[in-house]
Amino acid sequence: QKEVEQNSGPLSVPEGAIASLNCTYSDRGSQSFFWYRQYSGKSPELIMFIYSNGDKEDGRFTAQLNKASQYVSLLIRDSQPSDSATYLCAVMPRTDSWGKLQFGAGTQVVVTP
Amino acid sequence: SQTIHQWPATLVQPVGSPLSLECTVEGTSNPNLYWYRQAAGRGLQLLFYSVGIGQISSEVPQNLSASRPQDRQFILSSKKLLLSDSGFYLCAWTRGTMVGSYEQYFGPGTRLTVT
Repeated sequence: QKEVEQNSGPLSVPEGAIASLNCTYSDRGSQSFFWYRQYSGKSPELIMFIYSNGDKEDGRFTAQLNKASQYVSLLIRDSQPSDSATYLCAVMPRTDSWGKLQFGAGTQVVVTP
Repeated sequence: SQTIHQWPATLVQPVGSPLSLECTVEGTSNPNLYWYRQAAGRGLQLLFYSVGIGQISSEVPQNLSASRPQDRQFILSSKKLLLSDSGFYLCAWTRGTMVGSYEQYFGPGTRLTVT
């Protein structure tokens, strides 16, 4: 079992719709959760982080965390063609892990006009 | 504000040649630093991390090494490159878990092709 799992996609989303990305993790003691956006040929860019159960909203992005179900998701509202990218889920297993992150393989999102 | 630099941006090297990639961070002190590799179409693999000058931890045994000669400088090296070393090398930093800050930020990366 992979430590952090994501659907590889591609996830095709019509422009203006909501894109829903899911991520599950295996370490129940995980504390911190991150979403990165990576355009083709570029480095990952941190777009959201969440540390507590519930929802966290930032602009068009909402991160949702459910530690009991070991599940974190990212919603992108009003999807734009510029949102077409690969989205990486990352998990920090424990607070004493020196900040090391475990990454999923990423979900490719394609927003179609 | 903080900035992270990596160079070179692109590198083509023959098998068996040495390698030196450099990463520097501006605008912060005592960061945690990380080297990742991303092979084509693959996920991120953590190679090394450092919590201070001269303190290096290796995650994956291989022909690469890392050094941290200064607080905000992180270097990735190899004495002899292999074809399998090709990939996108990413440096990342975080303010440090001691201050309760876990957000990790990436540099622009170095794309290495070993021929």
